[in-house]
Amino acid sequence: GENVEQHPSTLSVQEGDSAVIKCTYSDSASNYFPWYKQELGKGPQLIIDIRSNVGEKKDQRIAVTLNKTAKHFSLHITETQPEDSAVYFCAAAYTGGFKTIFGAGTRLFVKA
Amino acid sequence: NAGVTQTPKFQVLKTGQSMTLQCAQDMNHEYMSWYRQDPGMGLRLIHYSVGAGITDQGEVPNGYNVSRSTTEDFPLRLLSAAPSQTSVYFCASSSIGTGVITEAFFGQGTRLTVV
Repeated sequence: GENVEQHPSTLSVQEGDSAVIKCTYSDSASNYFPWYKQELGKGPQLIIDIRSNVGEKKDQRIAVTLNKTAKHFSLHITETQPEDSAVYFCAAAYTGGFKTIFGAGTRLFVKA
Repeated sequence: NAGVTQTPKFQVLKTGQSMTLQCAQDMNHEYMSWYRQDPGMGLRLIHYSVGAGITDQGEVPNGYNVSRSTTEDFPLRLLSAAPSQTSVYFCASSSIGTGVITEAFFGQGTRLTVV
């Protein structure tokens, strides 16, 4: 069945450094790739997404890239801040599928 | 600006008991869904609905029932609770843009413990 693998499971960076989280999807029909941030005790929050007709999307300090051929997509956070510390989830969905498949999550620690 | 509201926030059940987790959204979203979150396993889809009167199974539907009588509400029922259903449950709603789910909003979650 559909599967999304996410790496690493834990990531620790120094404040100001960049963080990169990578995901791989299995279903070639997937054409929508959202990313979520989950803070402790809260529900996931959509922070950025990308569609298959776009290779890269940027929003201030976060960016996502997509390589359809390799079925890889990544989240890049630049100039990390302590408030970026959270669990990040990647996900994949496709038109008409109505089932979003999530990765297992990456716990990001940003050390001040 | 309520968004997605889940009740209760915490619940302890005994094995075999039944209960309903409530979910309501005020954004007129067509799509609503229920996920469970377990350590190291991300979010797994239990059931979803694309509109009032329409529901379907997700990845882990066994032991759970849903119904969608209105656009706003999407309750999740546990018929006979089991310890394996101990988890954090999230309800989400989304608009359906051009046939794909977009801009999902999640509730704050219900932490359920079955003893």
